[in-house]
Amino acid sequence: DAGVTQSPTHLIKTRGQQVTLRCSPISGHKSVSWYQQVLGQGPQFIFQYYEKEERGRGNFPDRFSARQFPNYSSELNVNALLLGDSALYLCASSLDRGLGDTQYFGPGTRLTVL
Amino acid sequence: DQQVKQNSPSLSVQEGRISILNCDYTNSMFDYFLWYKKYPAEGPTFLISISSIKDKNEDGRFTVFLNKSAKHLSLHIVPSQPGDSAVYFCAASGRGNNRLAFGKGNQVVVIP
Repeated sequence: DAGVTQSPTHLIKTRGQQVTLRCSPISGHKSVSWYQQVLGQGPQFIFQYYEKEERGRGNFPDRFSARQFPNYSSELNVNALLLGDSALYLCASSLDRGLGDTQYFGPGTRLTVL
Repeated sequence: DQQVKQNSPSLSVQEGRISILNCDYTNSMFDYFLWYKKYPAEGPTFLISISSIKDKNEDGRFTVFLNKSAKHLSLHIVPSQPGDSAVYFCAASGRGNNRLAFGKGNQVVVIP
């Protein structure tokens, strides 16, 4: 079975632009979460979606938004890009959203903001 | 505020010996803990997990120990192999959801 897939793998944008990142979960998984990993740090939680509804949000500004589609794939949007948004953006999927449900990560999208 | 802390950012170990990685957490609401391994240019790969009702979980060469009173967990890899060279992240979740709080990671280098 295919794992979590993300597109694109790399992206270069300039300050002020907008970006959309895409994620397809493992087949049968209904929950998708997004994480941001900056260099030298661990991943930081951004959003969780379950059954197309937002179920959790981390400490990120409103420039970050996301949605989940009926096929459980998801998009992460970031508006008005800042240099500090340069990071690896990771998508993870799980069967459910409850405690003890292991999350499986995709390879990530490397975003560079110039 | 770093709720999950991994000190000693890097570790070098001889092939065949034991690798021990440590992790401390501050949030007493955490009750599920995981270890992930990450190679460059790849996403984190799930290794092993433990819930707060246990103090030990073993899976092949990997064993995780949990000391709730000390808010401390450790990952033992034995015997270490060159393919284990990677960054290892400790993560925790709790409060009825599975959003993860990660540590900063430990770089492990296994010397053949």
